[in-house]
Parts: sequence; C-alpha cells; structure tokens
Amino acid sequence: QLQLQESGPGLVKPSETLSLICTVSGGSINSRNHYWAWIRQSPGKGLEWIASISYIESTYFNPSLKSRVTISIDTSKDHFSLSLKSVTAADTAVYFCAREIFTASYFDSWGQGALVAVSS
Amino acid sequence: DIVMTQSPDSLAVSLGERATITCKSSQTILSSSNNQNYLAWYQQRPGHPPRLLFYWASTRASGVPDRFSGSGSGTDFTLTISSLQAEDVAVYYCQQYFSTRALTFGGGTKVEIK
Repeated sequence: QLQLQESGPGLVKPSETLSLICTVSGGSINSRNHYWAWIRQSPGKGLEWIASISYIESTYFNPSLKSRVTISIDTSKDHFSLSLKSVTAADTAVYFCAREIFTASYFDSWGQGALVAVSS
Repeated sequence: DIVMTQSPDSLAVSLGERATITCKSSQTILSSSNNQNYLAWYQQRPGHPPRLLFYWASTRASGVPDRFSGSGSGTDFTLTISSLQAEDVAVYYCQQYFSTRALTFGGGTKVEIK
C-alpha cells in the first residue's frame, strides 16, 4: 500500500526558506502514470495546491506561488521536495504531499501532513 | 483561475438522514473532447488528511461506501450522503482539474450530526 510521509522543520523564521521532503514507500516514484504534488492547508482554512512534479522532472506551479517555489525529485531516494522562500506568517500551514494522477490531476493518495509555523 | 464555490459552509444532519453539498465552478469544467467533468470530491475527517471520494464527478474511488454519490455537469455539482453515519462527520471539498496549470479547491463544507 502506497504511503507518503512528510518531514522537515516545524518552525521557520520569517524571510527564510521552508524546506520539506516527502518520502514515498510501498509504490514506485518512477511512475509515468503519476505526478507528485504539494498542497497546503492554513489553520482553519481550505486547501491550496502548490506545485507538482513528475519522475522525469516535468513541473508545474500554482501561479500565485510560482516565484517562491522550487520542487524537485530524487528517484534514487524515493522522495521529492518542496522549497518555499521568503516565507511570512501567511505561509503557516499544514503541508501535505500527495500522489496525482497524470492524465487527470486529482489526488488519490495523501501524506499525513506536516505543520510548519512561520515565526521569529 | 477557476473559482470553486461550495454551499453551505456547514450543515447538521440527523443520523440516517440525507446530506447534500453543492459545488459550483466559475466556468464549465466539462470537456467537449471527452465529455468528462473534471471534478473530484474529498472527505477530510478531523485530524486526518483528505481522502479521495470521487473523480470525474461521479466515479467512486476505491473503498467509498455506496451511500455516497456524486453528480452534476458543466458548472454545478452535488455530493450526496444518502444516510448519514457517525463516521461521515468531516469537511468535504471539491476540486477542479480542468485547468491543470491552476488546480483549485472549493472552500469546504463541514458536515455535523444534528
């Protein structure tokens, strides 16, 4: 059974860079049928898609976050990563990684989520 | 961006009764090329990540009980729980994937027991 697990610091200072890793197990990250995505949920708020990447490093981004986001994948380590630079308190959220269907961009498997707070 | 608007924001339903959630997109998410509606529904129970319920608006995901149904086309969609169970208490989200470079979710509908 596919499992995704987010990891990274739970606290980031304003203006610094938020970095998270999603480790994939129980399935192959080298899948031509899937993308791998980051989605966040601010406290008490809804869901916001951030970015997606394929195993061949094809990427696409939420236009509202694109200037601050880097997404990468390391198929040898079965993980993909998110970097969000110049963070502010508005970036405080639970960050989920998820598997995205290649031919139809819905998300069929999710990690448990990682809470990242932006505070000095 | 395609804006997804859900209603109501919350609803309280008695156990065994029907719950109906609507999702409206700001433009059509029905593809003329394949006649599919590019809409998914998710359930998020407290303290858990979202869980896929439906894709293509009405295709039930694996393991989803048949008391859940998805319907609608074009810009107007509905998620129905025919007989609410205690484990259905959750927030439900719709998501459009018609615009693949700008995936967007609805604001969520919280379902509680009356």
